Amino acid sequence: GDSVTQMEGPVTLSEEACLTINCTYTATGYPSLFWYVQYPGEGLQLLLKATKADDKGSNKGFEATYRKETTSFHLEKGSVQVSDSAVYFCALSDLYNFNKFYFGSGTKLNVKP
Amino acid sequence: GAGVSQSPSNKVTEKGKDVELRCDPISGHTALYWYRQSLGQGLEFLIYFQGNSAPDKSGLPSDRFSAERTGGSVSTLTIQRTQQEDSAVYLCASTLIPGQGSYEQYFGPGTRLTVT
Repeated sequence: GDSVTQMEGPVTLSEEACLTINCTYTATGYPSLFWYVQYPGEGLQLLLKATKADDKGSNKGFEATYRKETTSFHLEKGSVQVSDSAVYFCALSDLYNFNKFYFGSGTKLNVKP
Repeated sequence: GAGVSQSPSNKVTEKGKDVELRCDPISGHTALYWYRQSLGQGLEFLIYFQGNSAPDKSGLPSDRFSAERTGGSVSTLTIQRTQQEDSAVYLCASTLIPGQGSYEQYFGPGTRLTVT
C-alpha cells in the first residue's frame, strides 16, 4: 500500500544554516505530494505541493522537487530562520484513491539564534 | 474566509466517560477527514466522509469510536467509554472536491483530549 517515510528528528540547526528533510514514498498510483507544517500550538497548514514528476513546489523559501525515479520529495531551504521552528510532515494522496492521505511521522525542526 | 473550526479546543474527561468532538468544515467543502495525533507521533487516519457516500471508517481503532456528518457539513466524532490511550489531539480536515486536480486538505486547530 501507499506510505510515506521521512527522516526522524529532531533536527537542530543554527540560524542561516541549510536545511534538508528527507522524504520518500511508496505509491501504486499517481500521487500528489505535499509538505505540511505545524507551528507550535497551531494546526497543520500546507507549505507546498507537487502534483506530477519533476514538479517543484516552493513557498516561504522552502522547495521540494517530485522525483519519481528516486520516489522522493525532500524539503530544502537554503537559510533557515528561528521562525521556521516547527514540525514538518510529508504527505501523499493518490488521485485514484483520494479518500486517503498518507502522512509521514513528522520531523521536528529547532532553529537556534 | 473562515477556516475549519473545531470545538472544544481542550477536553479533559475521566476514564469511562463519553466525549463528543465537533468539526465545522470550510463551507462548500464536500470531503471531511478525522485524524488522531498522539504525542510525538504522526497523523493516524480515522474516518473520511465524502458527500452522501458511505463513510470510510477503516481507520477507526475500535467500536468505541464513531462519527457522523449531518447535512453534509458539521461532523461529530464520538468516543464512548474513554480510555487513557485515547488521549491525543484529534484533527479535522476538509477538502473542496476530491479528485479534482491538485487539492489539499485544510486542517482545523484540533481538539486536545486528555483522559484521566
